[in-house]
Amino acid sequence: GAVVSQHPSRVICKSGTSVKIECRSLDFQATTMFWYRQFPKQSLMLMATSNEGSKATYEQGVEKDKFLINHASLTLSTLTVTSAHPEDSSFYICSARLLLTNTDTQYFGPGTRLTVL
Amino acid sequence: KNEVEQSPQNLTAQEGEFITINCSYSVGISALHWLQQHPGGGIVSLFMLSSGKKKHGRLIATINIQEKHSSLHITASHPRDSAVYICAVMTQGGSEKLVFGKGTKLTVNP
Repeated sequence: GAVVSQHPSRVICKSGTSVKIECRSLDFQATTMFWYRQFPKQSLMLMATSNEGSKATYEQGVEKDKFLINHASLTLSTLTVTSAHPEDSSFYICSARLLLTNTDTQYFGPGTRLTVL
Repeated sequence: KNEVEQSPQNLTAQEGEFITINCSYSVGISALHWLQQHPGGGIVSLFMLSSGKKKHGRLIATINIQEKHSSLHITASHPRDSAVYICAVMTQGGSEKLVFGKGTKLTVNP
């Protein structure tokens, strides 16, 4: 099956710093990637939809200036958590959409655990 | 009420048992995903369904569009099947967004 990678898998940072998370589709081109956040024992919550070459679409309640998304190529989207605070500590997951003639599915990355001290 | 409801929330089984996890949804969908999330967080897509039934190894997924219901079955369960199983639906209307259930935590004891 298609593979999506995320980097880093874990990051610990100090409050006030910025953290960049990369999401790559390794064997297919993804015009659309999604960023999710998952708090402990909660379901995944969609943060934003990232479209290659255009601005991301953020879900209600997600601060676009805090969570910067860049989808610079068909295989890479980045999420930057700016001025991170302890409440931003969470598990961040990306997915990439594979859209073909007979297929429309999403493949998930392994996730990035962010801990803000 | 959530658009996607899963049952049970938690499930404990003995190795070898037949497992069923249920998912009901209240919206029109174009497809339904079953996902597996192991401790540590990584998510694996098990199935994508829009009708009927799919089988992969010991896993079987069925969907009834009229009843807005899907089931995930695991035959001859094994401790390595212990994980959270998540149902997610892609809503109709051209949106590619997924709506997730809260997940079912499965523990299979040896």
